[in-house]
Parts: sequence; C-alpha cells; structure tokens
Amino acid sequence: EPEVTQTPSHQVTQMGQEVILRCVPISNHLYFYWYRQILGQKVEFLVSFYNNEISEKSEIFDDQFSVERPDGSNFTLKIRSTKLEDSAMYFCASSLRQGADNEQFFGPGTRLTVL
Amino acid sequence: QKEVEQDPGPLSVPEGAIVSLNCTYSNSAFQYFMWYRQYSRKGPELLMYTYSSGNKEDGRFTAQVDKSSKYISLFIRDSQPSDSATYLCAMRLAGTYKYIFGTGTRLKVLA
Repeated sequence: EPEVTQTPSHQVTQMGQEVILRCVPISNHLYFYWYRQILGQKVEFLVSFYNNEISEKSEIFDDQFSVERPDGSNFTLKIRSTKLEDSAMYFCASSLRQGADNEQFFGPGTRLTVL
Repeated sequence: QKEVEQDPGPLSVPEGAIVSLNCTYSNSAFQYFMWYRQYSRKGPELLMYTYSSGNKEDGRFTAQVDKSSKYISLFIRDSQPSDSATYLCAMRLAGTYKYIFGTGTRLKVLA
C-alpha cells in the first residue's frame, strides 16, 4: 500500500541552525502539507502546497519557514534559524484531491530537537 | 471556547467492549470530519472521512456526525488490545486545506 515517507526520523540541531526536513508523498498525489505536533499538544497545520505554490498557511508558518518541491518526488520543509520552541514532531501529508475528497494521508513524522 | 474539543482520557475498556469517542466543535461551518488513530510516536493514520451529517461504517468502525449539535462520534465495536492508541478527530472548512485537530483521546483496551 502506498505511503508517505519522511527522513530523517529524528533530527537534533543547535538553536540558530538551519534544518531541512524531507518527505516523499504518495506518488500520484497532488496536494502536500506540513503539520507539527509539540509534545503533548494537538497536531497543528503549517502549510499546504499545490502546483508549486503555497495554497494556504497558518500563522505559525512565518518567514523562518519555507517549503519546496525540488523534484518530482520530494517535498521539503526548511526552517532557517531554529528556535527552542521549534522542537516538535513534524508530519508531512499528501492528498490526491481537494474538495470533498481531500483525504490527507500522513507520514510517520520527523522528531526535531533544538538544543 | 476551543474550536474543537475532545476528552483527553485515558479511556480504559475491556476487550470486546463497544467504545464511543466524541468531539464537539464550535464552528458550524465545518463540513468535513475525520478520525485518525495515532500510535505512540507514529504519524496519524486515517480511519474515517465523512462529509455532512449522518453515519458511515467501515468494518468495526462507525463514524457519526450530528451537525445540528456540533458533535461527532467514532464507535469501535468488538474492541481489541491493538486498538489501544490515541484517537484524533479533525475537521475542515469547505474551500480550505487545513485540518483542525482535537487534542486526542487515549484509549486503552485491556486484554
């Protein structure tokens, strides 16, 4: 069964460093998303991406964040200068469609630890 | 008032019991309602996706949406120890992409 994959599973970085989290969405999906989950808190939407453009973003997704689809398979989230409060699980998701059939399938997540 | 509210649990039930998990919400414009299962330190796994009011059944799982009461439920029949996980409800407005999640309910099914 096709699934979303993410690498690395765990990333440790120093405050102020740049990190890139990588995702391979389900191959025929067209819509891509990043969510995060701070330990013990709810899953929160960051951004959605379609046709090489951001289609929607939350207030969390500030200028420190960027997303890119560098090739036909990968989808990345970059955090330019990490802060302690960026420590969280980051989930990539993808969906085939928008509208009524927007079922989003999540990857296993990348645990980001900022020291 | 929180946009989506969910009892965090934990909810402990014996194997074979019928489990009822619930979420309430404040925004009557939500149109799409989802249930995810999340095992510890794993990604959310989509269980049910429903649109509008009514029931949807898939195997041992039934999702119920009552838009007039702003209340959704997930029923698990014949619960198994492998159903022990955190269950997340999520909702979406028409015309948007973002899912808004509840905090999740931890379920423990005791053998």
